[in-house]
Amino acid sequence: DAGVIQSPRHEVTEMGQEVTLRCKPISGHDYLFWYRQTMMRGLELLIYFNNNVPIDDSGMPEDRFSAKMPNASFSTLKIQPSEPRDSAVYFCASSRLAGGKYNEQFFGPGTRLTVL
Amino acid sequence: RKEVEQDPGPFNVPEGATVAFNCTYSNSASQSFFWYRQDCRKEPKLLMSVYSSGNEDGRFTAQLNRASQYISLLIRDSKLSDSATYLCVVNHPFGNEKLTFGTGTRLTIIP
Repeated sequence: DAGVIQSPRHEVTEMGQEVTLRCKPISGHDYLFWYRQTMMRGLELLIYFNNNVPIDDSGMPEDRFSAKMPNASFSTLKIQPSEPRDSAVYFCASSRLAGGKYNEQFFGPGTRLTVL
Repeated sequence: RKEVEQDPGPFNVPEGATVAFNCTYSNSASQSFFWYRQDCRKEPKLLMSVYSSGNEDGRFTAQLNRASQYISLLIRDSKLSDSATYLCVVNHPFGNEKLTFGTGTRLTIIP
């Protein structure tokens, strides 16, 4: 069974360019999360979706960041325009609610973004 | 105050030793608690959930003290493969799927 899939695995871009990160959650999972991890701030939740609907985007740092989930098997996180301080590892994770109880979040391998 | 606080370490521990990590959380209404493990340049993975009564999984023991808002992880007979960063994770009150991660405690097991 495939886990969470993210692409690209590495992205190097120049300041001002648009960056699009992609995620395919585990089939049957109804929650999808986007995180950012840096040495200084650790793992931060940016936004999460339930059944393709954004539930909480309070972690999105600025208007330069946007996320969409057009269907149950695909989500994107876009940064436009990118800045050097956006350099980080971006993780996508998915989980499912079963029996009213929280279940484990499964993380993708991450996208390592470097903005020059 | 951070929502979840951990000692960042690093902890350098000889193989076979016992090591303990602690974590405190600020939201007294938190319902669920976890330890995740993250290997270098890899994604976090669930190590174990933490239950009020305390729970054990092989060499790993997790405990929760709600009164003190304190979570612990004990690793006995440590192995080289235990070298990783251990993340203390807390979720918000029921109905909220958000998780808050501590910044992690880095553990290195020395042969």
